[in-house]
Amino acid sequence: GAVVSQHPSRVICKSGTSVKIECRSLDFQATTMFWYRQFPKQSLMLMATSNEGSKATYEQGVEKDKFLINHASLTLSTLTVTSAHPEDSSFYICSATGLGGGRTDTQYFGPGTRLTVL
Amino acid sequence: GENVEQHPSTLSVQEGDSAVIKCTYSDSASNYFPWYKQELGKRPQLIIDIRSNVGEKKDQRIAVTLNKTAKHFSLHITETQPEDSAVYFCAATNNQGGKLIFGQGTELSVKP
Repeated sequence: GAVVSQHPSRVICKSGTSVKIECRSLDFQATTMFWYRQFPKQSLMLMATSNEGSKATYEQGVEKDKFLINHASLTLSTLTVTSAHPEDSSFYICSATGLGGGRTDTQYFGPGTRLTVL
Repeated sequence: GENVEQHPSTLSVQEGDSAVIKCTYSDSASNYFPWYKQELGKRPQLIIDIRSNVGEKKDQRIAVTLNKTAKHFSLHITETQPEDSAVYFCAATNNQGGKLIFGQGTELSVKP
């Protein structure tokens, strides 16, 4: 139980385009999903917290108009990187907590999406 | 806000030896402390966690200790094996379903 999937696993795009990343909880209802960014050899940096049916809460320094987050259902959250630039290239990972997926305070991570912006 | 410091940043041990990774946190209200193992290019995987009402927890070769007074917690891996090689992250949070604050990570290398 407590499986989180992410799609796509890898994406390469041109500068200025937008990229959407999906995060799904496969066998439980994710009341809260988190989006992280991880640069090589660095720790996970929380970008935003997303609760189903409400607006995401962004961490300081993260542009909400650039990183659009939608959590329309209890099993799906999406992150859209708008007008991507090379400095947005990173490993984006989602995690989820919720009901039926073990303890409600345990975060289960998706496999990550490697974004490369040319 | 919460701040989590993790040491060392790199750790190299011989197979069979023990490895210890230490973390300190700043928010005394923190009550949940998970440890994650991340292999290169893969997702972090929860390996053990501890809550503030417990001082120690063990799962086979892995143990975690918590000192609430000093606000630090440690991961202990005994009888290390080459497959234990990975980056280990500690984290802390102070509420149910709340955001985790991660340490900087420790790259563990177990030499056969």
